[in-house]
Amino acid sequence: DARVTQTPRHKVTEMGQEVTMRCQPILGHNTVFWYRQTMMQGLELLAYFRNRAPLDDSGMPKDRFSAEMPDATLATLKIQPSEPRDSAVYFCASGFRGRSSYNEQFFGPGTRLTVL
Amino acid sequence: DQQVKQNSPSLSVQEGRISILNCDYTNSMFDYFLWYKKYPAEGPTFLISISSIKDKNEDGRFTVFLNKSAKHLSLHIVPSQPGDSAVYFCAASRSGGYQKVTFGIGTKLQVIP
Repeated sequence: DARVTQTPRHKVTEMGQEVTMRCQPILGHNTVFWYRQTMMQGLELLAYFRNRAPLDDSGMPKDRFSAEMPDATLATLKIQPSEPRDSAVYFCASGFRGRSSYNEQFFGPGTRLTVL
Repeated sequence: DQQVKQNSPSLSVQEGRISILNCDYTNSMFDYFLWYKKYPAEGPTFLISISSIKDKNEDGRFTVFLNKSAKHLSLHIVPSQPGDSAVYFCAASRSGGYQKVTFGIGTKLQVIP
């Protein structure tokens, strides 16, 4: 049963602390997306990787957020320093970008982040 | 600037009746549209999609209609079941190339038994 996994599922931290969220995409998928869900904005795209290369991180606050894919089985999203406005649910999704015009994205269960 | 708009934050429908969820988009470059369903404490899951070359796509109880001239799409669920109670996200993309998907803020559907 292939699925995207995310850790931790919940994270409570204090303002100013570093937060690292991890994602294991589905084996064989070559695209990874990071989204943030808020009540006001819905699902916002933060970063997009294809074949481990970052193709779009325009939705990410550059001064405090960073996203990487150290290898094909791990994607990370870091916030340093964290702020209360970063409190949200962060989703990772993976997919396979092949020859067809569009491929479905498979989402992980999310990391609920609370910054006090 | 919300390029994909879901103007109804919530909707309540009786079991067995039709649920209609609406979505509007502003970017005329979008040519592929999707609906995702999300249960609490889970990630969104793909439900149904439609390409701009079609105006209707049906999958069981779920049908998506696309009106390109109005930049409007809708998801019909017939008959609605209590298990359909979830948040539904409308999303849009350009086929090919980058495939960035733009999501709406979601509509919470409650199907009342």
